Amino acid sequence: AQKVTQAQTEISVVEKEDVTLDCVYETRDTTYYLFWYKQPPSGELVFLIRRNSFDEQNEISGRYSWNFQKSTSSFNFTITASQVVDSAVYFCALRGRNYGGSQGNLIFGKGTKLSVKP
Amino acid sequence: DTEVTQTPKHLVMGMTNKKSLKCEQHMGHRAMYWYKQKAKKPPELMFVYSYEKLSINESVPSRFSPECPNSSLLNLHLHALQPEDSALYLCASSRTPDGTGVNEQYFGPGTRLTVT
Repeated sequence: AQKVTQAQTEISVVEKEDVTLDCVYETRDTTYYLFWYKQPPSGELVFLIRRNSFDEQNEISGRYSWNFQKSTSSFNFTITASQVVDSAVYFCALRGRNYGGSQGNLIFGKGTKLSVKP
Repeated sequence: DTEVTQTPKHLVMGMTNKKSLKCEQHMGHRAMYWYKQKAKKPPELMFVYSYEKLSINESVPSRFSPECPNSSLLNLHLHALQPEDSALYLCASSRTPDGTGVNEQYFGPGTRLTVT
């Protein structure tokens, strides 16, 4: 079975604070893909990052960084110096290697709502 | 360009109406998806089209009828909906439908559907 857990339902921070969104996943696939999406109030899901299971390098993109640790099955997302525009729901998602039935589909976590106050 | 467009943005329909949602992408993607998203929930997969053929129907009621006229367009025909079908309907596309390689899904802005 595949599962994504985002234990933090809501997080509220003040602008310029750093914030980390947690994501823990379960899968029996040896090859899999992890994703983060941002959903602002407008509704569109914005793709942020894809990480392959065989690439454990951490990634930084501007104020965003991702920490992928296979040993703990986690793929955490940190926003440095948060801004009001970062306010959104963030979804972590998992996709297995093989496509067929539900195994190849995106499995979403329940999402974390981030509110950044000025 | 990673744009997926959807029309209309908002739709209000009665339970006896027939309406259609439209989705378009020009990225050359060969997989297209319909998702339904209720408030404060993650998206739920409804249908997957792979090379213009329906490959997955996640036990969706027949009052929802998908159609893929060509590789760039995806429609969702709605008929005799129920109030509980009110939701945000998201379209997405990816380069290929399988789990290999670069295959993230790009989403459109969605259609907010209200069934009265």
